[in-house]
Amino acid sequence: DIQMTQSPSTLSASVGDRVTITCRASQSISSWLAWYQQKPGKAPKLLIYKASSLESGVPSRFSGSGSGTEFTLTISSLQPDDFATYYCQQYNSYSPGGTFGQGTKVEIK
Amino acid sequence: EVQLVQSGAEVKKPGESLKISCKGSGYSFTSYWIGWVRQMPGKGLEWMGIIYPGDSDTRYSPSFQGQVTISADKSISTAYLQWSSLKASDTAMYYCARPATVTPHDAFDIWGQGTMVTVSS
Repeated sequence: DIQMTQSPSTLSASVGDRVTITCRASQSISSWLAWYQQKPGKAPKLLIYKASSLESGVPSRFSGSGSGTEFTLTISSLQPDDFATYYCQQYNSYSPGGTFGQGTKVEIK
Repeated sequence: EVQLVQSGAEVKKPGESLKISCKGSGYSFTSYWIGWVRQMPGKGLEWMGIIYPGDSDTRYSPSFQGQVTISADKSISTAYLQWSSLKASDTAMYYCARPATVTPHDAFDIWGQGTMVTVSS
C-alpha cells in the first residue's frame, strides 16, 4: 500500500503569513494528489486536485505543486478562515484505495 | 444541487448490528462511485471502501475488508455501510463521499455531513 506522510503535524502561524505544508508518498503517484481542508465538526472540503488544480470556488491564495513523491500546499497569505486541519490524499489508480496523510493542524500563533 | 445526505447519529452496544445510509441527489446516482471514510475521535481520515451503485462493484481497503459491508440500492439512490457486530473501536464519525468524476480513482468533491456512531456498553 502507498503511505502518505505529512509535515509538520502542527503549524503555528499568524494572519498574513505564507504557509507551506508538505506531503510525501512512499512511491510515485504521478500527480494523483488532492488537498482537503477540515474544520471542527465539519466534513472535509476539497481545495486542490491533480496536485495543482484549484477546485472551483476556492480562493486563489491556495496553491498546490509537486509530482511523483513530493507535494506541497501553500497558502500565500493566511486568513482567519484558514485556521483548520489540512489533509493530503493520493488516488493513484494502481493502489487499493485513496490513502490520506495524517493531517496538519494550522493554529493561530 | 448535488448533495449526499447521511442518516443520523447512532448509539449502540458492543455486539449489536448497524446499517447507516447515504442518499445521493442532484446527479445520476448510478454513474458515480460512492466512498466511505472513517474519522475516529481526534484522529485523521481513513479511506474504507467504495461502491459503484450501477452494478454494486465494491472495493475495500485491506484494513476494513471483512470488518464492514458496503452496499447500495440504486432504486432509492442510497449507499450503505454496515456492521454485523460492533466493537467499541468502531466509535467514529463516518463520511460518505463522491469522486469528482465517474472513476473510483479521483478526489472526493462531494461529501455527506457525516454520521457519528458511538459504541458503548
